[in-house]
Amino acid sequence: DTAVSQTPKYLVTQMGNDKSIKCEQNLGHDTMYWYKQDSKKFLKIMFSYNNKELIINETVPNRFSPKSPDKAHLNLHINSLELGDSAVYFCASSQDRVQETQYFGPGTRLLVL
Amino acid sequence: AQSVTQPDIHITVSEGASLELRCNYSYGATPYLFWYVQSPGQGLQLLLKYFSGDTLVQGIKGFEAEFKRSQSSFNLRKPSVHWSDAAEYFCAVGAIWQGNLIFGKGTKLSVKP
Repeated sequence: DTAVSQTPKYLVTQMGNDKSIKCEQNLGHDTMYWYKQDSKKFLKIMFSYNNKELIINETVPNRFSPKSPDKAHLNLHINSLELGDSAVYFCASSQDRVQETQYFGPGTRLLVL
Repeated sequence: AQSVTQPDIHITVSEGASLELRCNYSYGATPYLFWYVQSPGQGLQLLLKYFSGDTLVQGIKGFEAEFKRSQSSFNLRKPSVHWSDAAEYFCAVGAIWQGNLIFGKGTKLSVKP
């Protein structure tokens, strides 16, 4: 019955590898987001998709690419991982944009060695 | 530019004592304001939100917050803290034109017996 789910929950990998994080929501929401939380707990938006269309693309390296195969999924692909990519990545969804509550997934803890 | 300031990085209160967590925002228009809580190793859960109307909003777990436009503040309060309230608390403002949340840096709440 999880509303927003992410896999994997933990991801430990070597520098230079390519990895993906998956996100799925079963709330029927139109908008999905990816946030990054750094080691100091600071949360910042990375991407936002509305009905499979990219709405927000903050200043994020090209190595990060979101992919939305359908409205319920927003996956995050990361190429050539760097040490600085280590963080917790949160997926979220909302019915529409800001006016509606965003529901967050449990987070994916990425550690790049 | 929109921003959210949580001036207190870490607060410790005794169980049963009252709590107030401060939040100030900078936003050009009428803001949509949120408080989220993050328990250790968990995702974010919405405590309450303000869109319009009554400036005192009630949330879950006995929390409330008051929107004060003149002070650009949205402080979170609870009359009697429980040990289970120990967590990280994030204030956020909804950036309407961008469609995402802008978070403060969080306030860590510790509760002592």
